[in-house]
Amino acid sequence: EDQVTQSPEALRLQEGESSSLNCSYTVSGLRGLFWYRQDPGKGPEFLFTLYSAGEEKEKERLKATLTKKESFLHITAPKPEDSATYLCAGRGSGNTPLVFGKGTRLSVIA
Amino acid sequence: DGGITQSPKYLFRKEGQNVTLSCEQNLNHDAMYWYRQDPGQGLRLIYYSQIVNDFQKGDIAEGYSVSREKKESFPLTVTSAQKNPTAFYLCASSTSSGGSPLHFGNGTRLTVT
Repeated sequence: EDQVTQSPEALRLQEGESSSLNCSYTVSGLRGLFWYRQDPGKGPEFLFTLYSAGEEKEKERLKATLTKKESFLHITAPKPEDSATYLCAGRGSGNTPLVFGKGTRLSVIA
Repeated sequence: DGGITQSPKYLFRKEGQNVTLSCEQNLNHDAMYWYRQDPGQGLRLIYYSQIVNDFQKGDIAEGYSVSREKKESFPLTVTSAQKNPTAFYLCASSTSSGGSPLHFGNGTRLTVT
């Protein structure tokens, strides 16, 4: 059974304090590893798709990386507006739907 | 602008009543999905449809029903058989390509008392 596990569950950072969020996955025939940002009371907003080990993608202060077992979302010099829940999801072979992790709730304090 | 519209944003019902949540997309996506989100549980798949007039059960389909009569629309009915219906419901769509991301609506928060 495909599985995605995110850690930590919650992370509190000072503004400017860089850190990383972890997403471990066991997804058969990975066809894509996805990162989303979710603000309270809203739907998840798509950030990145990673397709193969070694791939990296960047957007503003965020950089996502992928290995054969894990993905990391690196946040460089975060600002309070980066506070949100970050979700990771994987899609396996065939037409299987995405499998989501439970998310990491990030708080950035000014 | 293209996107996914869920309505209403908040919905209140009495126990024992069926209720239907609306989801419409104008992205011309083939696949549509319904997820349920509870605190600490992440997103759990209820039903999905990869083509009109066809749909499959997800991990927690009991007590729910769907229809897909049009490509643009994928309504979800929460029946009285669903034991814990109070939750945040999210609709999403994607192209049929396996590597394409899901695009989400802004959700409907259902409260049943």
